Amino acid sequence: GAGVSQSPSNKVTEKGKDVELRCDPISGHTALYWYRQSLGQGLEFLIYFQGNSAPDKSGLPSDRFSAERTGGSVSTLTIQRTQQEDSAVYLCASSLLAHQPQHFGDGTRLSIL
Amino acid sequence: AQKITQTQPGMFVQEKEAVTLDCTYDTSDQSYGLFWYKQPSSGEMIFLIYQGSYDEQNATEGRYSLNFQKARKSANLVISASQLGDSAMYFCAMREGSGTGRRALTFGSGTRLQVQP
Repeated sequence: GAGVSQSPSNKVTEKGKDVELRCDPISGHTALYWYRQSLGQGLEFLIYFQGNSAPDKSGLPSDRFSAERTGGSVSTLTIQRTQQEDSAVYLCASSLLAHQPQHFGDGTRLSIL
Repeated sequence: AQKITQTQPGMFVQEKEAVTLDCTYDTSDQSYGLFWYKQPSSGEMIFLIYQGSYDEQNATEGRYSLNFQKARKSANLVISASQLGDSAMYFCAMREGSGTGRRALTFGSGTRLQVQP
């Protein structure tokens, strides 16, 4: 596709369940980022993948959060044992090279009941 | 300390007028990049303009220009000839570091711009 694609666009789940969010970056983009946007917290960096390098996980808020990027392309963000404070919009972005502008997907709106 | 500060939570502008959205930043890096993004009510983040710390000229992209004052650590966004479609949230962001340093963006809290007919 032409842009960053995220799925699902909306996810409602019960507290304690695990969720998986998917990001399909722009073809050829080597860098991929996950951010979280919530009321009162703004936009927060979660994790960054660059090529085959080890990911920068410094933004993950707890060990319930993990992400992987397979084949240098699609990425999955997993949240285990979801809590109500995990409710937010999760945004994925990619860039051709690490220092270039990041292009964002439309996000996944996650609601924890 | 806040790395990106946007002091205007909300701004109003008349259609066809110019508006300046303020952004100040804090970094000890010599190499960094400054970005502006637009987020309409639909939620997508749209890249508008980029300024590198070593760029001598202010960046321009159509009706958008970036007033970069390095000594003051400010990177204000100027939108000329405002249009109703410019109504949105605007975020200033910074990428610090060079080489293999982290490339994630640090965002400001945003400014909500409303363009009035």
